[in-house]
Amino acid sequence: GDQVEQSPSALSLHEGTGSALRCNFTTTMRAVQWFQQNSRGSLINLFYLASGTKENGRLKSTFNSKESYSTLHIRDAQLEDSGTYFCAAEGGTNTGKLTFGDGTVLTVKP
Amino acid sequence: AQTIHQWPVAEIKAVGSPLSLGCTIKGKSSPNLYWYWQATGGTLQQLFYSITVGQVESVVQLNLSASRPKDDQFILSTEKLLLSHSGFYLCAWSLSRGQDTQYFGPGTRLLVL
Repeated sequence: GDQVEQSPSALSLHEGTGSALRCNFTTTMRAVQWFQQNSRGSLINLFYLASGTKENGRLKSTFNSKESYSTLHIRDAQLEDSGTYFCAAEGGTNTGKLTFGDGTVLTVKP
Repeated sequence: AQTIHQWPVAEIKAVGSPLSLGCTIKGKSSPNLYWYWQATGGTLQQLFYSITVGQVESVVQLNLSASRPKDDQFILSTEKLLLSHSGFYLCAWSLSRGQDTQYFGPGTRLLVL
């Protein structure tokens, strides 16, 4: 079945710095979503991409379906960015099935 | 604006007891609805999806069932809980079934003892 490999599993950043998260897909995906899960468990929508790159504030995401990967870049990290980040990809069956990565636990330190 | 509610917020149940979790979408007619499950510290797994009233498709078999009795309501249930049912249950909706953003509810935490 569809597989989503997310890395890194954990990431620690100091405020003001940045880094990138990556998801690799073992099969061709039609679209990808990125979420932030906060301490209460709520999933906050960050991006939906069927292709290309989107940017929102300090976040930027790219989805390359041909090369089967997606990235989420965080710049100028803030304390409130801490949480678990998930990518979720939609395969080719048009069922709305999202396959989630295992998540990246981001800790932003002062 | 669309809102999604889940109830209850949290449950502690005994093994072998029944369970019913609910999800309601307001402000959108004929949404596509989904149930997801997240084990503690784990990733999310889609369990069911529904494109219309009375139609539910199972994605993963976890001894759970789902029903869609109304356009804006999605119910997850079982007659006998297992320890492995513990976790976080999330309901989601989207406008269309494929290639569309899914929006998640606040979730229900379930602990089975």
